[in-house]
This record gives sequence, C-alpha cells and structure tokens, in this order.
Amino acid sequence: AQKVTQAQTEISVVEKEDVTLDCVYETRDTTYYLFWYKQPPSGELVFLIRRNSFDEQNEISGRYSWNFQKSTSSFNFTITASQVVDSAVYFCALSEEEGYGGSQGNLIFGKGTKLSVKP
Amino acid sequence: DADVTQTPRNRITKTGKRIMLECSQTKGHDRMYWYRQDPGLGLRLIYYSFDVKDINKGEISDGYSVSRQAQAKFSLSLESAIPNQTALYFCATGAELVGYNEQFFGPGTRLTVL
Repeated sequence: AQKVTQAQTEISVVEKEDVTLDCVYETRDTTYYLFWYKQPPSGELVFLIRRNSFDEQNEISGRYSWNFQKSTSSFNFTITASQVVDSAVYFCALSEEEGYGGSQGNLIFGKGTKLSVKP
Repeated sequence: DADVTQTPRNRITKTGKRIMLECSQTKGHDRMYWYRQDPGLGLRLIYYSFDVKDINKGEISDGYSVSRQAQAKFSLSLESAIPNQTALYFCATGAELVGYNEQFFGPGTRLTVL
C-alpha cells in the first residue's frame, strides 16, 4: 500500500534560518511520482515540484531545494534563508504509475507540515 | 480567468441540510476529483471521475455523492450535512500524461456545518 509520512507537524524558525521539511514514502511500485505543494494562509494549493522515481538528481530552484533518496524512501524539501512569505502548510504527495497493480495514479498526500517563519 | 473554479467559496449551513458544491473547469481535462482537507489530516480523496460516464469512490465517500453533468462540471453533494463534514473542499482536474496524472486544484470551498 502507498503511504506518505510527514513526521513534522509544525516547525517554527526565525527569518533567514534554513529549514528542512521531511517526507518519507512507501510504495511497492518501481515507477512512481513525488510531489510537493504549498498551501499559504489564503488556502489555495500551489504546486512546487514533481519528481519521478528514475530521477534521483537533486533539484534547486532559487531558495528551494529537494533531496530525493530512494535508499531511504525520502523526498525532503529545504528552504534556504527562509522568509516570512514561506509561512505555509507544505504537503508531500505520492502517485504510483497508472495501470500498475490496478493503480489509477491518484495522489496520496501526507498530513502536511505547518511552517511558521517569524521576522 | 481561473482554470478551475469552485462555488461557493464559503458556506455555512445547518445540520441536516442538503448542500451542493460545484466545480467547473476550462482546462479541457477528462478527469475530475473532489478532496477534503481537515487540519492535521492532509487531503483525502472523496470521489473521482475519469469521464462523464465514469464515477469512482475515493477513500472517504460515505455521506457524499457526486454528479458529472458534463466534461467541465463535477458537483459534490452532502445529502444531509453533519458537523464533522466541516472542512475545506478542493476540486481538481487531471491530465493523463505518460505514466502519471497531473492534477490542477481549484481555490477550495470552506464549508461549516453548525
């Protein structure tokens, strides 16, 4: 069965600190996709990144970076030099390949990590 | 204009009332989804539809029903609302790409059942 665990319920940092949000996943599929979404206080979901299981290269986008390690089934998200605008709930999600084992390719979300960045 | 719209954006209702949440999309996608978000629980799938004639139950379909009136419209109904259905509801559309399902979310509907 597929599962996504975000063990950190809430994190509070001071502006300019670096912060890492953890995501651990479970799947029996060899082809799968991992996602991060941001939900600011306004409530909408903002797509941040998608990564497929064959691409273990780390990704950097400005102050954001993602570390994908299949050996530990983790897809962690780091914000460098955090800012108040980074305050949000962040969700990690998993999707198995469509058609594998009857999978419909639906998204399974973690419970989210609430990040508060204080000035 | 937004690609995925939800109406209403906020709704307060009373226990026992019938409520319909509507979702429309202009993305031309065949797939549509309804999720529910509760604090500390993430998003959970209620129903999904891969085309107008295909409706599937998700993880938490009890107490809900859906209608896919057209490719662009997918409605979620609470036949008799109860307080524990107070939540933030998201509609999403899905584009079938090679091997995976790209989903695009609406802005959400905040429902309060008193």
